[in-house]
Amino acid sequence: DTEVTQTPKHLVMGMTNKKSLKCEQHMGHRAMYWYKQKAKKPPELMFVYSYEKLSINESVPSRFSPECPNSSLLNLHLHALQPEDSALYLCASSQIYLANYGYTFGSGTRLTVV
Amino acid sequence: KNEVEQSPQNLTAQEGEFITINCSYSVGISALHWLQQHPGGGIVSLFMLSSGKKKHGRLIATINIQEKHSSLHITASHPRDSAVYICAVTLPPWGGGADGLTFGKGTHLIIQP
Repeated sequence: DTEVTQTPKHLVMGMTNKKSLKCEQHMGHRAMYWYKQKAKKPPELMFVYSYEKLSINESVPSRFSPECPNSSLLNLHLHALQPEDSALYLCASSQIYLANYGYTFGSGTRLTVV
Repeated sequence: KNEVEQSPQNLTAQEGEFITINCSYSVGISALHWLQQHPGGGIVSLFMLSSGKKKHGRLIATINIQEKHSSLHITASHPRDSAVYICAVTLPPWGGGADGLTFGKGTHLIIQP
């Protein structure tokens, strides 16, 4: 299995809703990432988990809450989002501690906040 | 100043043309990545380079570490090559761990039949 699987592919939520995005990989990668991508812009790093521990939080608002329950699974819990949070949310994974490690990206969750 | 600069930002070419996309970076890196993203889609990793040249089908990627420059070439371009091509770098793991990618702004390529 050489894929990163993201669910759902599309999500529409109201500003008072609570929802979660899910990311799964079975490649044995020990680093997992959440990126946010607005239209016609490059992705922006949100969170990095290394060995299931949060290692980087790029000053993301608390309405986004990441969770890494095990080495294969990464969640992003969403609560009280704003319309400007509408974007493509990408998950990625990679090895750690190798001089040159490749990334595998998921196909993303297209989030619309109404 | 963006640490990763790509050119051109937009490129329209005819089917069959040889395509070159350039990427320059200003910091020390562990590796450089070329990524492809189709409209509305996820990102596919095309190449990861730390030196020299790599080839996969009609795609060729080169890197010059001394000049901090990389190029992505597409030979015999086809309309299905139309996508955004993104250059990204991984910075040296000073802390020994994973730090995410630093992205260029992307090159929007359109290949017309």
